[in-house]
Amino acid sequence: QVYLVESGGGVVQPGRSLRLSCAASGFVFSSYGMHWVRQAPGKGLEWVAVIPFDGSDKYYADSVKGRFTISRDNYQNTLYLQMNSLRAEDTAVYYCARVSMPYGLDVWGQGTTVTVSS
Amino acid sequence: DIQMTQSPASLSASVGDRVTITCRASQDISNYLAWFQQKPGKAPKSLIYDASSLQTGVPSKFSGSGSGTDFTLTINILQPEDFATYYCQQYKSYPFTFGPGTKVDIK
Repeated sequence: QVYLVESGGGVVQPGRSLRLSCAASGFVFSSYGMHWVRQAPGKGLEWVAVIPFDGSDKYYADSVKGRFTISRDNYQNTLYLQMNSLRAEDTAVYYCARVSMPYGLDVWGQGTTVTVSS
Repeated sequence: DIQMTQSPASLSASVGDRVTITCRASQDISNYLAWFQQKPGKAPKSLIYDASSLQTGVPSKFSGSGSGTDFTLTINILQPEDFATYYCQQYKSYPFTFGPGTKVDIK
């Protein structure tokens, strides 16, 4: 069975940092690109970032560029999202998702909640 | 960036109905379009990729069509478990963008 399990969410003050993790199992993690997608309370889905299988070219949404960094450890089968200079508008459930072309974002984690509040 | 719109924003339907949701891209995305279903408190579930291909395990009551800028998702014989929010997403170019969603609820 293919699983993605996010962790690291919590309540953090504006301006502080947080690192999310996404543990993968049941597939060859090092062969797949990975994405982060978030969803603010009561809102729709917002794409955040992508990292290819080898960690080379990364892309970010404009809303997080320069503040968030996506990375991966293919030995630990884990995806990360380092979030710095957090803002209230970063409050959301953060999902990691596997990309498998041509199938798109075919496997999603259950999400981890980040709340930015003083 | 490619903008995605969906219509309607919400709709009310009865069990057994057929519903159609429309998604439009601000520029040509060929067939690089996916549809997702999301139920409250749950992660999105991929239904369709490449505009019209069904993900493994997704029932054939779901179908997608379109290319270029205009796409549709059709759900035949609506069942109680189909009441959810549906999102389209383009993956022609970064940033990948989602439509605002269409909430399907019970009439």
